[in-house]
Amino acid sequence: DIQMTQSPSSLSASVGDRVTITCRASQGISNYLAWFQQKPGKAPKSLIYAASSLQTGVPSKFSGSGSGTDFTLTISSLQPEDFATYYCQQYNSYPLTFGGGTKVEIK
Amino acid sequence: QVQLVQSGAEVKKPGASVRVSCKASGYTFTTYLMHWVRQAPGQGLEWMGIINPGGGSTNYAQKFQGRVTMTRDTSTSTVYLELSRLRSEDTAVYYCAREGPTGEPADYWGQGTLVTVSS
Repeated sequence: DIQMTQSPSSLSASVGDRVTITCRASQGISNYLAWFQQKPGKAPKSLIYAASSLQTGVPSKFSGSGSGTDFTLTISSLQPEDFATYYCQQYNSYPLTFGGGTKVEIK
Repeated sequence: QVQLVQSGAEVKKPGASVRVSCKASGYTFTTYLMHWVRQAPGQGLEWMGIINPGGGSTNYAQKFQGRVTMTRDTSTSTVYLELSRLRSEDTAVYYCAREGPTGEPADYWGQGTLVTVSS
């Protein structure tokens, strides 16, 4: 199975900050990488697929990059509604696997 | 608009089985694959498997092989997840999630179904 490692596991940031979350795959996955946002008590929401393609309706403050084994999710200017947990997922091969999550909290 | 509506919460005893349903609407049911993902309390997301509603083929995570069955009913646009021989560690919220048109996983999610396994 492909292991997905996210870092950091949590971070504190202020409104307006630029935030970057990283995700590393244990082997190359080309660009088969998705990012999700989850708020407490809610289902995850798709943000990005194919490493850098924005899902319909997702604001452009979210961006993704990377290929192979190393990926990043960037939030350009953190807003109150962005405080949540973020997960990466590889879909290069079965079983699909998620990173452990990054909780973004208010400083 | 695309909607995935799941069945309600369940409480089961260890050793029992549970079946969770996910009714799809707003798109052609047989065209898009459907994933099942679960999340234990306070934990991360775990992929369980996938079903092709068109032909019924499935691919299960090895962890659940032998205990999980995913099926579909095309007449009602509903997919089902059945998990048998439940244990306390299966207590989780179970989600269905549609695969997107370009193969990306989970563009739409159900609201989740809490399954509690307790004696």
